[in-house]
Amino acid sequence: GQNIDQPTEMTATEGAIVQINCTYQTSGFNGLFWYQQHAGEAPTFLSYNVLDGLEEKGRFSSFLSRSKGYSYLLLKELQMKDSASYLCAVNKSFQKLVFGTGTRLLVSP
Amino acid sequence: GAVVSQHPSWVICKSGTSVKIECRSLDFQATTMFWYRQFPKQSLMLMATSNEGSKATYEQGVEKDKFLINHASLTLSTLTVTSAHPEDSSFYICSARERRRNEQFFGPGTRLTVL
Repeated sequence: GQNIDQPTEMTATEGAIVQINCTYQTSGFNGLFWYQQHAGEAPTFLSYNVLDGLEEKGRFSSFLSRSKGYSYLLLKELQMKDSASYLCAVNKSFQKLVFGTGTRLLVSP
Repeated sequence: GAVVSQHPSWVICKSGTSVKIECRSLDFQATTMFWYRQFPKQSLMLMATSNEGSKATYEQGVEKDKFLINHASLTLSTLTVTSAHPEDSSFYICSARERRRNEQFFGPGTRLTVL
């Protein structure tokens, strides 16, 4: 089988830093995506990690450890508009994505 | 660039009728398109993978005779929900992959409500 687990909900304060974890066990792995999804909208691309290590892109960074089956998304200087669901997705093969359970992030003033 | 559209954005239909949802890549050629379903407060579940000019590949548990997928061109894929029932009510999202890129680009989604 395959499991991709994320915390269900997280809360944080505006201006703070939050780390959203994703652990995975899948048959096949070619990389890991992070997406942001606001309610009722389609996911938007945040990052893609193939190799181990940290990828930084502005306020958002994503880390991958293939040996541990673990990734995290780090959001800095949180803003109210960052309140959304965050989805990790494993690229199994030929861009076939298996999504994690999703984490709802609530940013409060 | 890399825009994907879906039509309609929402649809309400009676139980037993069929509904067609279109997914278009507006400014690139999509060799592969994917169809997902998302129930409230849940993550996206892949339903099928559609390659231009060939039959779609369905995920386990997805009825291919109920969810008809056609990918007739490099810019258009359609999903037809046949004999829809209330349990088919969901958010249907397509994505498209450009030939030379790893990234998938998602459409805005179609909310289907079956009465």
